[in-house]
Amino acid sequence: GAVVSQHPSRVICKSGTSVKIECRSLDFQATTMFWYRQFPKQSLMLMATSNEGSKATYEQGVEKDKFLINHASLTLSTLTVTSAHPEDSSFYICSARDPGTPLPASGDTQYFGPGTRLTVL
Amino acid sequence: SQQGEEDPQALSIQEGENATMNCSYKTSINNLQWYRQNSGRGLVHLILIRSNEREKHSGRLRVTLDTSKKSSSLLITASRAADTASYFCATLGRGSSNTGKLIFGQGTTLQVKP
Repeated sequence: GAVVSQHPSRVICKSGTSVKIECRSLDFQATTMFWYRQFPKQSLMLMATSNEGSKATYEQGVEKDKFLINHASLTLSTLTVTSAHPEDSSFYICSARDPGTPLPASGDTQYFGPGTRLTVL
Repeated sequence: SQQGEEDPQALSIQEGENATMNCSYKTSINNLQWYRQNSGRGLVHLILIRSNEREKHSGRLRVTLDTSKKSSSLLITASRAADTASYFCATLGRGSSNTGKLIFGQGTTLQVKP
C-alpha cells in the first residue's frame, strides 16, 4: 500500500521557538494532505486540509498564523508551529489521499504518517 | 469537529474472545471507515463500508452499518494479544467526497490479555 512518512518523529523545543514537521508521500503523488493533532487518550482532531499549489483550508478554531502549512509539491506538505508554547505539545499526524483512482474512490482511503510527538518545554 | 461517538471507551478481554465496538455519527455519510492505532503510532486503515452496504468482512473483522440508526459496529473475532490497540471509526460526509475530509470518532481502547 501507499506509504506516508513524517519527519521528525519526535521533537523537543523551547517555548517561543518554531518547529517544522514534514509529511511526505513516498510512492504516490498527493494533491491533498491533511493535518491532525491528537492529545493523549483522545481522538484525532482535523486541523487543516493542505492542497498542493493553493492555500490550506483551516478548521474552525485553528489559528492559521500559528500553524503554517505549505504544500509546495505533490509529495511534500509541511506544518510549522510558530512560537510554540507548552499547550502546543501534542501528537501531530498527517495523512494523504492517493488521487490515482477516480472520484469518489480516491476520497475513500487516506494513508497516515507515523506521527510526530512535539514537546514544548 | 468530532461527530462520532464510540462505545465502549475501553474494552478488556481474554485472548480468543470476540471484541465488539460501536460507533454512532450524526450526519449523512458517503462511507464509514475503521482505523487502528497502536500506542504512539500512526493509523492503519482496516476496512471501509459504503453507505449502501450493510455488512462487510475482512479476515477476522466484520463491520456492520445501519444508516437508519446512524451507527456502525466493528467485530474482531478470535482476538489476539496483538490486537491490543485503539480503534477509531471515521466518516466521510456525503458532501465531502471531493475533499476527502474525514471526521473521527472518540475511539475504543482494546486490551487483549494473553
